[in-house]
Amino acid sequence: KNQVEQSPQSLIILEGKNCTLQCNYTVSPFSNLRWYKQDTGRGPVSLTIMTFSENTKSNGRYTATLDADTKQSSLHITASQLSDSASYICVVADPAGNMLTFGGGTRLMVKP
Amino acid sequence: NAGVMQNPRHLVRRRGQEARLRCSPMKGHSHVYWYRQLPEEGLKFMVYLQKENIIDESGMPKERFSAEFPKEGPSILRIQQVVRGDSAAYFCASSPRTDYGYTFGSGTRLTVV
Repeated sequence: KNQVEQSPQSLIILEGKNCTLQCNYTVSPFSNLRWYKQDTGRGPVSLTIMTFSENTKSNGRYTATLDADTKQSSLHITASQLSDSASYICVVADPAGNMLTFGGGTRLMVKP
Repeated sequence: NAGVMQNPRHLVRRRGQEARLRCSPMKGHSHVYWYRQLPEEGLKFMVYLQKENIIDESGMPKERFSAEFPKEGPSILRIQQVVRGDSAAYFCASSPRTDYGYTFGSGTRLTVV
């Protein structure tokens, strides 16, 4: 069964600090891996999309890495801001791109 | 381009009633996906539709749930005879093709009382 596991489940950091969220997956083969940010009460918003041949992708203060050999991805947030408080969801797409497998998300809280 | 529009944002139904959730995809997007997010849980796939066709409904309960995406108009997720366990946020996403990024709507929060 295809699975996407994220850690930690929740994380509290101080404003200005960096943090790294982890995603391990068993989906194989896959076409791409995505990180989404979901604010409370809102739909997920795409942060990064990486194909299996890409190792890293940045979007402002967000940097995602992918190791297709170990089936691991990470999302690094630099100089966190209060507005970064949200759930971050790792999503892996099957080769056709139709079936998405979602991780359970990491709930990040940034405190002043 | 207004993005993916879902309505209503909030829906309250009594047990046994029907719930209809609407999703208007982004302009030019012919692929629509429905997901359910139960409280404190992750997003779960329900159904994938293209115009007038259900492509994959493997995530949808066999009874009481149905979905359609007519040639004209929004995609509809219909839940008949709702029960308390149907209370959740239902998200719709659309894409122009299968290997392209998805855009999510803001969701419909269904509460069954």
